[in-house]
Amino acid sequence: KQEVTQIPAALSVPEGENLVLNCSFTDSAIYNLQWFRQDPGKGLTSLLLIQSSQREQTSGRLNASLDKSSGRSTLYIAASQPGDSATYLCAVRPGQAGTALIFGKGTTLSVSS
Amino acid sequence: SQTIHQWPATLVQPVGSPLSLECTVEGTSNPNLYWYRQAAGRGLQLLFYSVGIGQISSEVPQNLSASRPQDRQFILSSKKLLLSDSGFYLCAWKAGATDTQYFGPGTRLTVL
Repeated sequence: KQEVTQIPAALSVPEGENLVLNCSFTDSAIYNLQWFRQDPGKGLTSLLLIQSSQREQTSGRLNASLDKSSGRSTLYIAASQPGDSATYLCAVRPGQAGTALIFGKGTTLSVSS
Repeated sequence: SQTIHQWPATLVQPVGSPLSLECTVEGTSNPNLYWYRQAAGRGLQLLFYSVGIGQISSEVPQNLSASRPQDRQFILSSKKLLLSDSGFYLCAWKAGATDTQYFGPGTRLTVL
């Protein structure tokens, strides 16, 4: 059974710092991995999607990497800003046949000015 | 552009009462539709998904049910709510040929 773990559960950093959020999954046979952002009491916003054949994806100050063989992904946020404060969720799609996502519990990020 | 709506935004219901949450998608056809629940201290859990009208797959046993009466409408229901049904319910959609899922604003359900 696929399980997704995110460490740390919470992170506080000062503005301007570069930071890394971690995601690990137990079964390396994934179809893709997606990072989401969730603001308090809101829905999820897709940030980056990495296909199983890819190593990384970039969007602005965000860079996500994928090491499928070791069951790990990282989300790198450069020059963090207070507006980056949110919960970041990692989710894997186990296979091509199914479309369901399996989520981690998230990392809650707080960036202070 | 595509948009996804959920209502109501918040709901407080007594134990044993019925439930109906609605999700609609605009600007796309034949989307895959999903219902997730986010309970306190737990990750997002997939409840149901649908690849077409009348086609519903259940991921976990529970006292909830889902229906898709129209192409872009997805309904989550219960005949009798339990305390454990409290949580944040999220609807999501994706185009069949793509991989990215897009989420609605969610419904906060409190069962007392």
